[in-house]
Amino acid sequence: DGGITQSPKYLFRKEGQNVTLSCEQNLNHDAMYWYRQDPGQGLRLIYYSQIVNDFQKGDIAEGYSVSREKKESFPLTVTSAQKNPTAFYLCASSASGTASNQPQHFGDGTRLSIL
Amino acid sequence: GQSLEQPSEVTAVEGAIVQINCTYQTSGFYGLSWYQQHDGGAPTFLSYNALDGLEETGRFSSFLSRSDSYGYLLLQELQMKDSASYFCAAGGTYKYIFGTGTRLKVLA
Repeated sequence: DGGITQSPKYLFRKEGQNVTLSCEQNLNHDAMYWYRQDPGQGLRLIYYSQIVNDFQKGDIAEGYSVSREKKESFPLTVTSAQKNPTAFYLCASSASGTASNQPQHFGDGTRLSIL
Repeated sequence: GQSLEQPSEVTAVEGAIVQINCTYQTSGFYGLSWYQQHDGGAPTFLSYNALDGLEETGRFSSFLSRSDSYGYLLLQELQMKDSASYFCAAGGTYKYIFGTGTRLKVLA
């Protein structure tokens, strides 16, 4: 079955540490997205990528970095510059990066906490 | 700025009909989507409106009025499993903007 796989499900970060969240999709989708969700809040866009080797900052990109070296993979690094990283992180993909009428498919998320 | 506003919480009883509203202010608007998210889970796509009018998918219907920058999700024959958060999302150029979310509580 096609889908999006995020790992790990839970992640703990120490002070001054960078951590990387994995996101892999086998849907052959062009576009991929990273969102942050805080308790009781909506989804805020961190980064998005319309095509391999290209990505754009979203609304809250500071303290985060991404890469898109392969179509199926879009890892997110939470750097030590992100002072409040505790949140639920969701990765999504859609068939087209230019046509926003395509539904987004989400992974099961990674819950990141500070130690 | 770009924003989508929804009521924070709606409560209804099993078997009833409930409407969740969404008003938006965005640039480059292509259409309105709706997503359901159960606690601790991933959002799942429910419906999409590109044009004005009503789209029906089983017990769920969604409506869009571009002239009013307004849409709603209508849930009929409510079931306990419908208790979840519901988000509207505006499709723009290359990306989506999500609403603040509405928590639906279905009472027995």
